[in-house]
Amino acid sequence: KAGVTQTPRYLIKTRGQQVTLSCSPISGHRSVSWYQQTPGQGLQFLFEYFSETQRNKGNFPGRFSGRQFSNSRSEMNVSTLELGDSALYLCASSSRTGPQETQYFGPGTRLLVL
Amino acid sequence: AQSVTQLDSHVSVSEGTPVLLRCNYSSSYSPSLFWYVQHPNKGLQLLLKYTSAATLVKGINGFEAEFKKSETSFHLTKPSAHMSDAAEYFCALPYGGSQGNLIFGKGTKLSVKP
Repeated sequence: KAGVTQTPRYLIKTRGQQVTLSCSPISGHRSVSWYQQTPGQGLQFLFEYFSETQRNKGNFPGRFSGRQFSNSRSEMNVSTLELGDSALYLCASSSRTGPQETQYFGPGTRLLVL
Repeated sequence: AQSVTQLDSHVSVSEGTPVLLRCNYSSSYSPSLFWYVQHPNKGLQLLLKYTSAATLVKGINGFEAEFKKSETSFHLTKPSAHMSDAAEYFCALPYGGSQGNLIFGKGTKLSVKP
């Protein structure tokens, strides 16, 4: 079974631009979560989608948004990019939602904001 | 409040010697607990997961972890380190309740000397 895929793998943007990242979960998985990883803050939860509905949201500004499609693929969008948005963005999928579920991670999209 | 503390930011061992990576948690729920590994420029790979079935959990690549409720610990061990074990290791805890999003420790970087 194919793992979680994320596109693009690398991205360079300038301040003020917006960016869209894509995540395809493991086949059959209906929950997709997004995390931001930076050297300073570590791994931080952004949001979780299950059956096209946002279930949970982390403590990030409204510039960060996401959505999930009927095929469970998910996108996250960051508008008005800031230098501090440079990070590795990781997507994870699980078959269901909840604290007992194992999340399987993709390789990440590395975003550099100049 | 849920939290995860990885007690060492960096651990260095010689090849063939035991590995101990320490993780303490705080949770108001009966927790699931996870260990993930991240190799350079890669996503997170699940090593093992505790879900209350057994306190000693065996994972991939010879790793295991023991859940100790009295000590609120979930330390990761391996009897004999291999050069390929050099990576960053993360302990994680679900936020709790109905939420499956993970709270991560700051990570422990494992170096393996030949």
